[in-house]
Amino acid sequence: DIQLTQSPSFLSASVGDRVTITCRASQDISTFLAWYQQKPGRAPKVLIYAASALLSEVPSRFSGGGSGTEFTLTVSNLQPEDFATYYCQQLYRYPRTFGHGTKVEIE
Amino acid sequence: EVQLVESGGGLVQPGGSLRLSCAASGFPFSRYSMTWVRQAPGRGPEWVATIGEDGSETYYVDSVRGRFTISRDNVDNFVTLQVNSVRAEDTALYYCTIGAGWYEHWGRGTPVTVSS
Repeated sequence: DIQLTQSPSFLSASVGDRVTITCRASQDISTFLAWYQQKPGRAPKVLIYAASALLSEVPSRFSGGGSGTEFTLTVSNLQPEDFATYYCQQLYRYPRTFGHGTKVEIE
Repeated sequence: EVQLVESGGGLVQPGGSLRLSCAASGFPFSRYSMTWVRQAPGRGPEWVATIGEDGSETYYVDSVRGRFTISRDNVDNFVTLQVNSVRAEDTALYYCTIGAGWYEHWGRGTPVTVSS
């Protein structure tokens, strides 16, 4: 199975900050990676697919990058509604796997 | 509007069974793979199973293979997850999602609690 390791697990930040979350895959997955945002009591919401493609309704302050085994999710100019938990997910191979999450908290 | 409505969850004893259903509408159901994802309390999402467009291909996470069965009805637009021989670690909110890759649409989930 492909393991995804996210770092950090927790991140404290302030409104207006730029934050970056890293997701490392245990093997090359090209760009078959998606990023999700989840708020308490809600289903995950996909933000980015194919490592860097933003869904149309997602604000442009979100960006994704990387390929192979290392990927990043960056949020520029953090807004109050961005405090949430973020997960990466690989779609290269079955079983599909998710990272363990990064919780972005208000500092 | 895409809608996914899960049902069938509940409290079940270890070793018991449940049948989870997902009613889908608002998109050409028979043209999409369908997937179940679960999320245990305080944990991240876990992919459980995917079924192909015509139901001929199915995929399972190792921990449920042989105990869970995914199926679909392309006439009435349902996908089901038969959950057998449940274990405590199957306790989770079970979501229905569209597709076999990344998941843009999710239902609200149906909770499964395994406890004696």
